[in-house]
Amino acid sequence: NAGVTQTPKFRILKIGQSMTLQCTQDMNHNYMYWYRQDPGMGLKLIYYSVGAGITDKGEVPNGYNVSRSTTEDFPLRLELAAPSQTSVYFCASRQGRSFGGTEAFFGQGTRLTVV
Amino acid sequence: AQRVTQPEKLLSVFKGAPVELKCNYSYSGSPELFWYVQYSRQRLQLLLRHISRESIKGFTADLNKGETSFHLKKPFAQEEDSAMYYCALTGGAQGGSEKLVFGKGTKLTVNP
Repeated sequence: NAGVTQTPKFRILKIGQSMTLQCTQDMNHNYMYWYRQDPGMGLKLIYYSVGAGITDKGEVPNGYNVSRSTTEDFPLRLELAAPSQTSVYFCASRQGRSFGGTEAFFGQGTRLTVV
Repeated sequence: AQRVTQPEKLLSVFKGAPVELKCNYSYSGSPELFWYVQYSRQRLQLLLRHISRESIKGFTADLNKGETSFHLKKPFAQEEDSAMYYCALTGGAQGGSEKLVFGKGTKLTVNP
């Protein structure tokens, strides 16, 4: 049972480039999340999804896009990377409350640097 | 709106001293509160949740609805408790349980 897997672990992008951060979970969780973690700023919610085909914006969605075509996968797309997007990105998943579980499980993170 | 406030960015104590990490929240309904911990070079993991009313690694946290607080406490800190601690909130049975919102975190250092 791998839990939540993120790839890549590290990436350096040039300004204006695009990339996709991959996230997959094998726990059949319906809720998935993307956060960014900046020093002293905690975890800020970028996007979340409550199930396949359903996504919604979090606190800081600008500059990012997501899709949820399957229960397992929740990729985060960065278009036209900017230095302000330098951060550590975490993906998380949890079972919805109506299914009895509320604990979130996290990936190991992706450290992204935009230069 | 869901909001979590952790007023202390850094907290430093000596081994064996009591420790309290503060968490205040803003939520119109009945929330569910959590404490997550991130040890060095590890992923975030759940430490405890208020609905379980449990003690994990000697830590406890009580939900005070009057003060809208969920402070994390441990009577005798250990060096291995050094980590980043995050308070988190989601909506309860009345709704709003899709979002999971975190505070800014408190970095706890336990000195020998």
